[in-house]
Amino acid sequence: NAGVTQTPKFQVLKTGQSMTLQCAQDMNHEYMSWYRQDPGMGLRLIHYSVGAGITDQGEVPNGYNVSRSTTEDFPLRLLSAAPSQTSVYFCASSPTNIGGETQYFGPGTRLLVL
Amino acid sequence: AQSVTQLDSHVSVSEGTPVLLRCNYSSSYSPSLFWYVQHPNKGLQLLLKYTSAATLVKGINGFEAEFKKSETSFHLTKPSAHMSDAAEYFCVVSDRDTGFQKLVFGTGTRLLVSP
Repeated sequence: NAGVTQTPKFQVLKTGQSMTLQCAQDMNHEYMSWYRQDPGMGLRLIHYSVGAGITDQGEVPNGYNVSRSTTEDFPLRLLSAAPSQTSVYFCASSPTNIGGETQYFGPGTRLLVL
Repeated sequence: AQSVTQLDSHVSVSEGTPVLLRCNYSSSYSPSLFWYVQHPNKGLQLLLKYTSAATLVKGINGFEAEFKKSETSFHLTKPSAHMSDAAEYFCVVSDRDTGFQKLVFGTGTRLLVSP
């Protein structure tokens, strides 16, 4: 199993550009989520999905869009990039959304918005 | 509302000495608690978790943590630090009783290990 994979590893954008961060998992997990990591702030939840076709907002959803057309894939779209979105983005998955489940994290995408 | 406080942003130890990373939590329900480790430029990896069984939880690489409800603490310890333990450590609380997992991360503790 590859686990959770993310592409790209690094990306530089100009303000106003759009892009999609890719996330895929091959463990047949129902629950997937996106976090951003900023210095001194831990990880904050952006969006999550409890299964194909079902998504919801997390703590910091503004400026981001998601969809879940398959169990495996959960892309994160930046609609119009802003410097405040410079961050490291992590995708995670778990078998279910029941409390206590271990989350499996991808290696992260480093995004710089100029 | 849940919250997690990691009491130290940085902890420095010498190789071979004990490690103590402190975590206090606040939760309205019976929480699940986790410690994750993040090595430089890597994703997060689970070290250990508490989900209501034994209060002393053993994890990978010799780490363990004790759930103390009366103190609302879940401190991470290791008897003898190794150079490879240098990383950032996150304490995480999950609300379990509502049936839906929402994770709240602490701000992290960077562990520095000197020779």
